Amino acid sequence: EAGVAQSPRYKIIEKRQSVAFWCNPISGHATLYWYQQILGQGPKLLIQFQNNGVVDDSQLPKDRFSAERLKGVDSTLKIQPAKLEDSAVYLCASSLVVRVNEQFFGPGTRLTVL
Amino acid sequence: QKEVEQDPGPLSVPEGAIVSLNCTYSNSAFQYFMWYRQYSRKGPELLMYTYSSGNKEDGRFTAQVDKSSKYISLFIRDSQPSDSATYLCAMSEASGGSYIPTFGRGTSLIVHP
Repeated sequence: EAGVAQSPRYKIIEKRQSVAFWCNPISGHATLYWYQQILGQGPKLLIQFQNNGVVDDSQLPKDRFSAERLKGVDSTLKIQPAKLEDSAVYLCASSLVVRVNEQFFGPGTRLTVL
Repeated sequence: QKEVEQDPGPLSVPEGAIVSLNCTYSNSAFQYFMWYRQYSRKGPELLMYTYSSGNKEDGRFTAQVDKSSKYISLFIRDSQPSDSATYLCAMSEASGGSYIPTFGRGTSLIVHP
C-alpha cells in the first residue's frame, strides 16, 4: 500500500513570496489533515478535510494560508505572502474516516523563509 | 501551562536498556492517548494508542495511562540503535466526532551500541 505522498520535499523562498505544497493521501482515505511542525515542537493542526469539505480550520491563519481538496483526493496548501515565522515542516496526513485515531503521515515539506 | 508537557531530552541509553518516556497533561477531557515515532526528516508514525486508563503491550513496547495523575508513559524493552528517533505523545478528546490530537514536543532518544 502506497503511503501519503508530498511534494516538494524542500522549499526555500524569500519572505513575502508565495509557496504551494501538494499532498496525495492513501487511496480510499476520506479524511485529510495539514499540520505545521516548527523545529523542536509537535505537529499543530492547520486544517482537516472530510472528502472535499472542511471539518476544522480554526487554527489556519486565513489571512495568508489557504487550502483546498478538489474531488476529495489530492490537496494543496498555499501560503501567500510568507513570513519568516512560517519556516517549518508542513505535514500531510490521512485516515480512513474522521472518527479514528490512526493517522498516516507523509514525509513532509520543509519550508525555509529567508 | 501547555496542555501536553514532554521533556525534549535528548535521552541517551546503551543498547539493551529499558527506556521510559513520559508525558503529562492538563486537559481531563482527553480520552485517547497515542505514541508516535518520528525519524529524522520523516513524518510521524503511529506506534500505539490506548483508550482511557490502563496498559497496552505490543512487542517490545508498553504504553501506560494513569488518568488520575494525568500521566502517560511508553516503555521500550531491549532498546536497539534502530529505536533512535523522536517520540511524540499525543492525546485527543472524543467529543464532537473529531479526534484531532494535541501533540507533545517530542523526546529525542539515542540508543548507542
